[in-house]
Amino acid sequence: GAGVSQSPSNKVTEKGKDVELRCDPISGHTALYWYRQSLGQGLEFLIYFQGNSAPDKSGLPSDRFSAERTGGSVSTLTIQRTQQEDSAVYLCASRRDGVGGTQYFGPGTRLTVL
Amino acid sequence: QQQVKQSPQSLIVQKGGISIINCAYENTAFDYFPWYQQFPGKGPALLIAIRPDVSEKKEGRFTISFNKSAKQFSLHIMDSQPGDSATYFCAASSPFGNEKLTFGTGTRLTIIP
Repeated sequence: GAGVSQSPSNKVTEKGKDVELRCDPISGHTALYWYRQSLGQGLEFLIYFQGNSAPDKSGLPSDRFSAERTGGSVSTLTIQRTQQEDSAVYLCASRRDGVGGTQYFGPGTRLTVL
Repeated sequence: QQQVKQSPQSLIVQKGGISIINCAYENTAFDYFPWYQQFPGKGPALLIAIRPDVSEKKEGRFTISFNKSAKQFSLHIMDSQPGDSATYFCAASSPFGNEKLTFGTGTRLTIIP
């Protein structure tokens, strides 16, 4: 079946604007994760969804970041009032329910804040 | 706080040689240790993974060695090929942490002819 898809693949925005990044997980995967990959910080966890609930938001760097998931499927990561330090690749991963399942990653959205 | 330390940062290996990447972790609650391979412009893809109940796992040319007492694990790529040139990330997760992955900082591997 299809893998994890993300859109847009690239996003260039101006400082202070809001952006929305979309993730379509693998069908039937109940767990969904957002990660951020930046040159200085490597790959870091942002938020975890189980179904439509987000029991772990511990990685969100500030209150400018939020995410939601609807229908147990699509997830949107929103960054408000973007800053230059938000420039990074935002990766989404999904996992089948259960312990220790493989996380499958999408291709990412490259965000550039000018 | 870096919970998974990875070395080396970059590695150059001749074609046919053995590539070795090392990782060390701190959190004893970690019980799942995957290695991901990432090509430029792509998301990370699972290569091989191990749990602490075994000391070694082999899949084709790729082997994970795991030392629970030392809290270390490593990836060995035998007969390295130019197509193996990529960035490799070790990671770890815990069932008490919602299985979220804590990644090492990555190793850029280059295989030269």
